[in-house]
Amino acid sequence: DGGITQSPKYLFRKEGQNVTLSCEQNLNHDAMYWYRQDPGQGLRLIYYSQIVNDFQKGDIAEGYSVSREKKESFPLTVTSAQKNPTAFYLCASTRGTTNTGELFFGEGSRLTVL
Amino acid sequence: AQSVTQLDSHVSVSEGTPVLLRCNYSSSYSPSLFWYVQHPNKGLQLLLKYTSAATLVKGINGFEAEFKKSETSFHLTKPSAHMSDAAEYFCASNTGTASKLTFGTGTRLQVTL
Repeated sequence: DGGITQSPKYLFRKEGQNVTLSCEQNLNHDAMYWYRQDPGQGLRLIYYSQIVNDFQKGDIAEGYSVSREKKESFPLTVTSAQKNPTAFYLCASTRGTTNTGELFFGEGSRLTVL
Repeated sequence: AQSVTQLDSHVSVSEGTPVLLRCNYSSSYSPSLFWYVQHPNKGLQLLLKYTSAATLVKGINGFEAEFKKSETSFHLTKPSAHMSDAAEYFCASNTGTASKLTFGTGTRLQVTL
């Protein structure tokens, strides 16, 4: 079945540690996105990538980094510079290079900083 | 700048009664509008979308939404709620700019027996 796989589903991190969240898709979609979800705040865009080896900052990119070395993969690193990293992180993709709004989402990764 | 406002953070209905989840949009351009559903600890799933064709849009699981330009609204409705509809619902808008999909803050729908 085609879809988006995020791992790990749950992750605990100590303050000061970097952590990388994996996102893999087998939908042959061109564009991929990372969103952060906090209770009562909806989804906020962290980074997005429309093509391999290229990505752009979203609304809340500070303290995060990404790479897009393969079309299928778009990992997100939460760095120690992110002041409040505890959140639910969602990866998504769309067909084509512009966001038509029809996003396909993974099941998310919940990061907790201890 | 575009934005969406979901007017209720929490809605509770009895099973078998109608559902109304409210969304207002603000945009300088004709927006594309969407409703997504999220079950606990899951990703979001597209319910329906409006892209300037018919103003009444039918989606999955019996949901529909009506685009009303005069009221800048895109409310989500369902004639009869089912227990499985209990989830969080997000309204979103997109003026076509790459990746600028703006989400509302969500409405949690509770369905009681």
